[in-house]
Formats: sequence, C-alpha cells, structure tokens
Amino acid sequence: GAVVSQHPSWVICKSGTSVKIECRSLDFQATTMFWYRQFPKQSLMLMATSNEGSKATYEQGVEKDKFLINHASLTLSTLTVTSAHPEDSSFYICSARDRSRASGRADTQYFGPGTRLTVL
Amino acid sequence: AQSVTQLDSHVSVSEGTPVLLRCNYSSSYSPSLFWYVQHPNKGLQLLLKYTSAATLVKGINGFEAEFKKSETSFHLTKPSAHMSDAAEYFCVVSEPRSSNTGKLIFGQGTTLQVKP
Repeated sequence: GAVVSQHPSWVICKSGTSVKIECRSLDFQATTMFWYRQFPKQSLMLMATSNEGSKATYEQGVEKDKFLINHASLTLSTLTVTSAHPEDSSFYICSARDRSRASGRADTQYFGPGTRLTVL
Repeated sequence: AQSVTQLDSHVSVSEGTPVLLRCNYSSSYSPSLFWYVQHPNKGLQLLLKYTSAATLVKGINGFEAEFKKSETSFHLTKPSAHMSDAAEYFCVVSEPRSSNTGKLIFGQGTTLQVKP
C-alpha cells in the first residue's frame, strides 16, 4: 500500500518549452501533495504544497508563475515547468500524504520515484 | 523551530558489520521522526517512523531506530550491513500537527558505503 507514481520518469526538452510532470497516489487519497527539487548530492528542497481543490502554497524563492501546480483530484497533482531553461534541469520528486487518519499513515509522506528533467 | 542534524555526511562499513547513522533533532514539541532511504536516481522509501509510541522502532530491511528524548537523538542502526544497503539516508522531522502544513524538515543526508 501507499504507492505514489510519477510520470514521466525522465524528460529531455528544448529551452523555452513547457514540461508537465504528473504525480499520482495509486492506492490512497491524498489531501496534500508536495513537490520537491533535488540537486546532485544534496537533500530535498521543498518547492510547494499542493492541496486538493485550492491554490498551491509556494516556498520562499520559488516562482509560482514558473512552476505551475494543479491538484485537481485527491489522487493527482501536476507540476508544469513553464518556459524551461537549462538551470531548471534537476530531479523533481513529489510526495503524497494519506488523507485517512484511520489508516495510521496520516502523518507520513509517501514519495514518488522522481522525474529527471534535462533542458537543453 | 524544528531542525535535524545528521552528524555524518558519509559512513563506510564492511559487509556484515553493524551500521550506525546518527541523527539529532531540535523540536519544541513531541515530534514525528522518520528515516527515509534513497537509492541513486530513485525516490525516497520510508524505512521507519516514530510517532510517540514505542521508543524503539523497527523498520524494513532489518533497520531500527531508537528515540531518545533526553539526548534528542534518533539514530538508525542495523546489525549487519548488506551490499544493497548502500544508499543515501535522510533523517526527517515533521512540523507539528497543529500547524496543519504537513511539511517535513530534512537532514542533509548520510551516504552509506558498504565495502565487500
């Protein structure tokens, strides 16, 4: 249980194009999903918190118009990197928090496998 | 404010010997603590979590961690390392439930190397 998927697992795009990354909770409902960015040999950096049916909350220094987040359902959040540039190349990871407190997993984030973005 | 410090950026052990990855936390409330493992180019996998129940927490793959409030520590151990344990390990504390943010605060990570 508690499986989170991401699609695509890797993507290469040209500078100036937009890229959409999907994050899905496969066997549970997630009121909240989180988007992280990870640089090589570093820890995860939280970019934004995505709540189902409301606007995402962005961390300081993260451009909301650059990184568009949509959380349209309890099992799907998307991150769109708009007008991507080489400096946006990174490993993007999502996580989902289980909605059901009865499951005993309410305080736990479950992570997707990550998406490697390379912008040429 | 909550914080997490992983005391070693890199730990090297021989296969079959014990593993100790150290973590200290700072929190003004009773925290939820986690250990996650990340293999290269993969997402994070939950090893174990502490949420104010038993102080000795058993996780997957033979790992366990002990919550010591007096020492503000949550060290991760395993009696016998396996080659497949080589990975990056993150000690994590969650923001208080009262904040309702669900945010996690990550340590900087410890790279575990296992030598044959």
